[in-house]
Amino acid sequence: AQSVTQPDIHITVSEGASLELRCNYSYGATPYLFWYVQSPGQGLQLLLKYFSGDTLVQGIKGFEAEFKRSQSSFNLRKPSVHWSDAAEYFCAVGPTSGTYKYIFGTGTRLKVLA
Amino acid sequence: DVKVTQSSRYLVKRTGEKVFLECVQDMDHENMFWYRQDPGLGLRLIYFSYDVKMKEKGDIPEGYSVSREKKERFSLILESASTNQTSMYLCASSSPGQPGAREQYFGPGTRLTVT
Repeated sequence: AQSVTQPDIHITVSEGASLELRCNYSYGATPYLFWYVQSPGQGLQLLLKYFSGDTLVQGIKGFEAEFKRSQSSFNLRKPSVHWSDAAEYFCAVGPTSGTYKYIFGTGTRLKVLA
Repeated sequence: DVKVTQSSRYLVKRTGEKVFLECVQDMDHENMFWYRQDPGLGLRLIYFSYDVKMKEKGDIPEGYSVSREKKERFSLILESASTNQTSMYLCASSSPGQPGAREQYFGPGTRLTVT
């Protein structure tokens, strides 16, 4: 069955430290991959997406993600975290054909220490 | 900028009430979605609509129905609210074409409490 796994429910980092949020997917073909961020009390906002081509994609707010086919992973990274990055982050897979259902991970909540 | 608005940010209803959650998008998107968000479960699709009057069931449609009479508006209806429907409800829209390849634009959510 298709699935998206975010193994870390909570992550705490200090402001200025680097960040990596993990995402693994199970899918028959190369999927469309997304990272969304949800700030407290808000809806989800797209950070970045991968469809094809260069496996390192850049997004908004200084985030990047790397698609690794061999590891079925699409990890999100940021070299230096800001206090405003505290939020919940969702990895998602968009189906490539035949259906309309996105599959979302369960989310990783990021806490940033001053 | 795409804007997706939801009629209420917070809603408190009693068990058995009929509840309407409204969603409006201003970008002429064909695709619209209703999700339910619960801690530890991520987002689960309730219903999807790809055109006016067209709908598809998602993963958890039981206890819900939807209405799409106009392109910009997608309503979620709880026919008889129950306490297990207490949750955050998120509406989203996306442009036409293969839905999986399209970014979804989300509304701010409606936190529904059923007592």
